[in-house]
Amino acid sequence: DTGVSQDPRHKITKRGQNVTFRCDPISEHNRLYWYRQTLGQGPEFLTYFQNEAQLEKSRLLSDRFSAERPKGSFSTLEIQRTEQGDSAMYLCASSSGTGVRKLFFGSGTQLSVL
Amino acid sequence: DQQVKQNSPSLSVQEGRISILNCDYTNSMFDYFLWYKKYPAEGPTFLISISSIKDKNEDGRFTVFLNKSAKHLSLHIVPSQPGDSAVYFCAASAQDSYGKLTFGQGTILTVHP
Repeated sequence: DTGVSQDPRHKITKRGQNVTFRCDPISEHNRLYWYRQTLGQGPEFLTYFQNEAQLEKSRLLSDRFSAERPKGSFSTLEIQRTEQGDSAMYLCASSSGTGVRKLFFGSGTQLSVL
Repeated sequence: DQQVKQNSPSLSVQEGRISILNCDYTNSMFDYFLWYKKYPAEGPTFLISISSIKDKNEDGRFTVFLNKSAKHLSLHIVPSQPGDSAVYFCAASAQDSYGKLTFGQGTILTVHP
């Protein structure tokens, strides 16, 4: 169990730029989730994948956000035309989905939009 | 609409004493509850969970109590240790939600030596 891996750990970008984050879940896990956390708040659900299928998207996920999991393994989250309000910790989590209802989280990507 | 609420932003406890962290929920469809611990610049780490068919679950120094009629759960840490100092999140999931968790705002626990 190598854990959930996220890259990069930190990203500083200028407003209007595009950014992409990567998540590698625990290898046998078929469920993958993206969350966003801002200061003083708990993680907020963004989107969920079962294998390569994106099955749920939060209303928080504006049209500028897109997520993919092309082969049912790693996932990417892209934010286009970043805004200062996008500054947050982006967390990826995975689970096996077979009756296990706890999520394993990565260390997150801290995004700062200047 | 905050479906999971942790009304105490912070809690300060002396080492060796009990820490009690509280959580309330509003969604009757939630049937599984978890506590996560988070250190700065790290992702949340699973601590303990409880199914709605139980009212108590224990794991070492950590015990979670569930009161379904009050839609309330609590986490007890006995005895508290300085290494327990972290942010604690309560989370809940519903049966048909693909394991999606809804989190509370978190409580910062500080355990003083």
